[in-house]
Amino acid sequence: AQSVTQLDSHVSVSEGTPVLLRCNYSSSYSPSLFWYVQHPNKGLQLLLKYTSAATLVKGINGFEAEFKKSETSFHLTKPSAHMSDAAEYFCVVTLTAFSGGYNKLIFGAGTRLAVHP
Amino acid sequence: DAGVTQSPTHLIKTRGQQVTLRCSPKSGHDTVSWYQQALGQGPQFIFQYYEEEERQRGNFPDRFSGHQFPNYSSELNVNALLLGDSALYLCASSSLQRQSTDTQYFGPGTRLTVL
Repeated sequence: AQSVTQLDSHVSVSEGTPVLLRCNYSSSYSPSLFWYVQHPNKGLQLLLKYTSAATLVKGINGFEAEFKKSETSFHLTKPSAHMSDAAEYFCVVTLTAFSGGYNKLIFGAGTRLAVHP
Repeated sequence: DAGVTQSPTHLIKTRGQQVTLRCSPKSGHDTVSWYQQALGQGPQFIFQYYEEEERQRGNFPDRFSGHQFPNYSSELNVNALLLGDSALYLCASSSLQRQSTDTQYFGPGTRLTVL
């Protein structure tokens, strides 16, 4: 069974400082991993996706994540936070290969990112 | 290129009533999944439809049912509403034919309030 643990429920940073949102996953096989962002009262937007190609994945808005199999981690980073980055971030795991192509996304509990001036 | 659309945006119902939520997938997508997001939590998978059939189901009671139409749009029906059904209901679309069902694109959601 797959699962995702987001290690911080809240992260607060100052504008212009680095962002680190931590995610550990559990999967019996090579998973696909995602980060989604949800702004207040909005739907979910895909930030980036890992599917066993390059371990360092670049996403939109300057975010990137590194897949580390030995640590079962997929942490999200950004060199310099912007006020518009304030939102809820979800780490997501899925496994398609053994389900006939049908799959479901398994979400972590989310990390709320606050960015202060 | 229209993204995933959902209707209505907001809905208020009372306990015991029935509700139908609607979703139109992104152009070129053939698979629709539904998720429930309770306040302060991550989305939970309800079910997934492809070729007008339910292909996978999460841990939700039979009060939750769905349908997919030939044009790939979908409906989520919830019967005998409970207060605990109050949540944001998210629809996501993807493409099985393009072998990219693992990338799902979400609509803005329908906020259901049960009084």
